[in-house]
Amino acid sequence: AQSVTQLDSQVPVFEEAPVELRCNYSSSVSVYLFWYVQYPNQGLQLLLKYLSGSTLVKGINGFEAEFNKSQTSFHLRKPSVHISDTAEYFCAVSGVKAAGNKLTFGGGTRVLVKP
Amino acid sequence: SAVISQKPSRDICQRGTSLTIQCQVDSQVTMMFWYRQQPGQSLTLIATANQGSEATYESGFVIDKFPISRPNLTFSTLTVSNMSPEDSSIYLCSVELGAMAFFGQGTRLTVV
Repeated sequence: AQSVTQLDSQVPVFEEAPVELRCNYSSSVSVYLFWYVQYPNQGLQLLLKYLSGSTLVKGINGFEAEFNKSQTSFHLRKPSVHISDTAEYFCAVSGVKAAGNKLTFGGGTRVLVKP
Repeated sequence: SAVISQKPSRDICQRGTSLTIQCQVDSQVTMMFWYRQQPGQSLTLIATANQGSEATYESGFVIDKFPISRPNLTFSTLTVSNMSPEDSSIYLCSVELGAMAFFGQGTRLTVV
């Protein structure tokens, strides 16, 4: 079984400032890691994923995340945010299996970008 | 990638009634997943639906309340039965392709 903790429920940030969203997980098996974004009144969109290989993962819209196995973390970063980045961000994990990996989500971090 | 269509996109229902949500995928998938997102909360897995077998429910969810059908490899339905206001949530269908999960736009259910 897996669990995910997003340490910040809300993150206010000014436009063009950097942002970091923290995600820690626990698992007894190897994991895949994901960040999803949910814009107001919309569905989930995949921002980026870590499956294997380089621990620094680049995603869409200028976001990146770094997998740190020793700290069981997968923090999301963006060097300069825009108003349009206002959304809820979810970190998720799944156990590595051949198929049928179900996702365990963190509680979400609401990012509010201020002008 | 996968394109997932969910119907209805939203509904307002009377308590005590049932609503069936449909999920259509543009490719054949072995497993489909149903999630619930209660207001202001994260997503919680309700059940996993395999074609040709009964769905597997997570702790806290039962078949009588959330019956699921999976008649073929591209389609599934989730029924929310005997609804109460506590069932007001967004219900999302998801599929896995290449170790990645894709989501439908969700069904926003309000029970009055």
